[in-house]
Amino acid sequence: GQNIDQPTEMTATEGAIVQINCTYQTSGFNGLFWYQQHAGEAPTFLSYNVLDGLEEKGRFSSFLSRSKGYSYLLLKELQMKDSASYLCAVRDITGGFKTIFGAGTRLFVKA
Amino acid sequence: DTAVSQTPKYLVTQMGNDKSIKCEQNLGHDTMYWYKQDSKKFLKIMFSYNNKELIINETVPNRFSPKSPDKAHLNLHINSLELGDSAVYFCASSQGGIGLETQYFGPGTRLLVL
Repeated sequence: GQNIDQPTEMTATEGAIVQINCTYQTSGFNGLFWYQQHAGEAPTFLSYNVLDGLEEKGRFSSFLSRSKGYSYLLLKELQMKDSASYLCAVRDITGGFKTIFGAGTRLFVKA
Repeated sequence: DTAVSQTPKYLVTQMGNDKSIKCEQNLGHDTMYWYKQDSKKFLKIMFSYNNKELIINETVPNRFSPKSPDKAHLNLHINSLELGDSAVYFCASSQGGIGLETQYFGPGTRLLVL
């Protein structure tokens, strides 16, 4: 089966750095995504990792370790607009290339 | 200019009614999806179509029936609505193929069953 775990909520201060962790268990791993979802809006794509290592994109970076079933999303120079839910999602080739979403981590950025 | 659009944005209806939600994408993508996001914010896959063919059908009551008239459209029809169907329904699309699995989501349809 599949299982994705991430913290329910995190709070950080404007200008700081925050790391949101995600652990997963899946039988047919084929890539990991991070999506951002502001309240009342649709999820939007942030990053994609399929190989081990760090992918950097501006203020956001995402790391993957396939052997550990672990990923993190790193947000630097936090801004108030970064307050949102961050969804870790794993693509699984079993059962037709499904993308399984975690419950999301609600990030609160305070001044 | 909208990439993935859904109608309606809000839907309030009585138990037992039948309703449809429409989705269209103008990205030229081959694959489309329907997700349900409940009050706990879990985003769960319901269906996926690739070039009008059903490829994923999760454990969803058969009151839910997707229809894809062409690869740019994936509609969702729900019969005999129940209170538990209240949720936000998101349509999404992706190009498919290795490295092209990023999904683009529509704005969501907020369904409330009374």
